[in-house]
Amino acid sequence: GAVVSQHPSRVICKSGTSVKIECRSLDFQATTMFWYRQFPKQSLMLMATSNEGSKATYEQGVEKDKFLINHASLTLSTLTVTSAHPEDSSFYICSALTPAGGGDTQYFGPGTRLTVL
Amino acid sequence: GNSVTQMEGPVTLSEEAFLTINCTYTATGYPSLFWYVQYPGEGLQLLLKATKADDKGSNKGFEATYRKETTSFHLEKGSVQVSDSAVYFCALSYSNYQLIWGAGTKLIIKP
Repeated sequence: GAVVSQHPSRVICKSGTSVKIECRSLDFQATTMFWYRQFPKQSLMLMATSNEGSKATYEQGVEKDKFLINHASLTLSTLTVTSAHPEDSSFYICSALTPAGGGDTQYFGPGTRLTVL
Repeated sequence: GNSVTQMEGPVTLSEEAFLTINCTYTATGYPSLFWYVQYPGEGLQLLLKATKADDKGSNKGFEATYRKETTSFHLEKGSVQVSDSAVYFCALSYSNYQLIWGAGTKLIIKP
């Protein structure tokens, strides 16, 4: 149980285009999902907290107009990187909070590797 | 502020050796503590957790005990295998569920 999927797993795009990344909880409902960036050989950096039916909460320094988050249902959150530039190239990871396991356990998607040319 | 500090890697061990990966934290109150593992080419997986002082989390032969007096949550395994090679992350969270991460420790097990 508690499986989280992401799509696509890899994406290469041209500078200036927008890219949408989907995060789905496959076997549970997630009222809260999180989006992270992971730089090479570094830990995860929390970008935003996404709650179903409400606006996402962004961490300091993260541009909300550039990284659009939509948590449209209890099983789906999307991250859209708008007008992507090479510095946006990174590994993007989502996680979902499940009531199972005590209610404070996040289950992670496999990540999406974004490369902006 | 709240933070998590892990021992720097990589840690290289021979198969069947005893493993300890140190993790200490700075926090107010009583956070939950976690160990996550990231195998090569895969996503993060929860390895074990502890939610209060003196709790011991365990999974797949790994153990960690929540020590409030030393603010530590060291990861241990009695006999490692090549398949344990991965990056291990220590983390803490509060009631808002946001995770505060350590930098990760790469573990390399040689046959």
